[in-house]
Amino acid sequence: GAGVSQSPSNKVTEKGKDVELRCDPISGHTALYWYRQRLGQGLEFLIYFQGNSAPDKSGLPSDRFSAERTGESVSTLTIQRTQQEDSAVYLCASSLDDRNYGYTFGSGTRLTVV
Amino acid sequence: GQSLEQPSEVTAVEGAIVQINCTYQTSGFYGLSWYQQHDGGAPTFLSYNALDGLEETGRFSSFLSRSDSYGYLLLQELQMKDSASYFCAVRGANTGFQKLVFGTGTRLLVSP
Repeated sequence: GAGVSQSPSNKVTEKGKDVELRCDPISGHTALYWYRQRLGQGLEFLIYFQGNSAPDKSGLPSDRFSAERTGESVSTLTIQRTQQEDSAVYLCASSLDDRNYGYTFGSGTRLTVV
Repeated sequence: GQSLEQPSEVTAVEGAIVQINCTYQTSGFYGLSWYQQHDGGAPTFLSYNALDGLEETGRFSSFLSRSDSYGYLLLQELQMKDSASYFCAVRGANTGFQKLVFGTGTRLLVSP
């Protein structure tokens, strides 16, 4: 597609429920990144993919967080047993490859855990 | 680990020039980037410096001094639409250089 697409744009969920966040990168972009941004804060790295492998998962906050990617296409970030501290905007970005410095971000998924 | 420091907020008036500074600490260094984010929007790429000196792109310029671990973003002829948050980001060997690590951002408020 023309840009990075994320869905849903907004998600309200009850504490303890599982959620899935989707990212559709720019066609041809082999690198895909997930970041988390709490209100008024900076971007916190979660995980990145080069193709469908994840060389760096160091930012995942706990084992409740997982992500996968199908080929060089869609990625899904799953949060199990959501907690209120998971409330944030989850941003996905893609780039041509993992040596390219220019990221294109999606508009994010705003997750609210109540 | 790595860290980046930016001022939390800068204010300026339309037509003015403003400089947003960024200092970083990282083991190994592969470049300093700048991103702009409007409230509720996606971060967008502005500039990248791998070598010392000034890079100019229209009204925006970015500077890097690797010896000082310091860079800045210079915005000229400020417009109201420049009100946004600006993030510096580094790629460094101890970050796993394939990923960007972002600063906490500088909120720029442009007034008439």
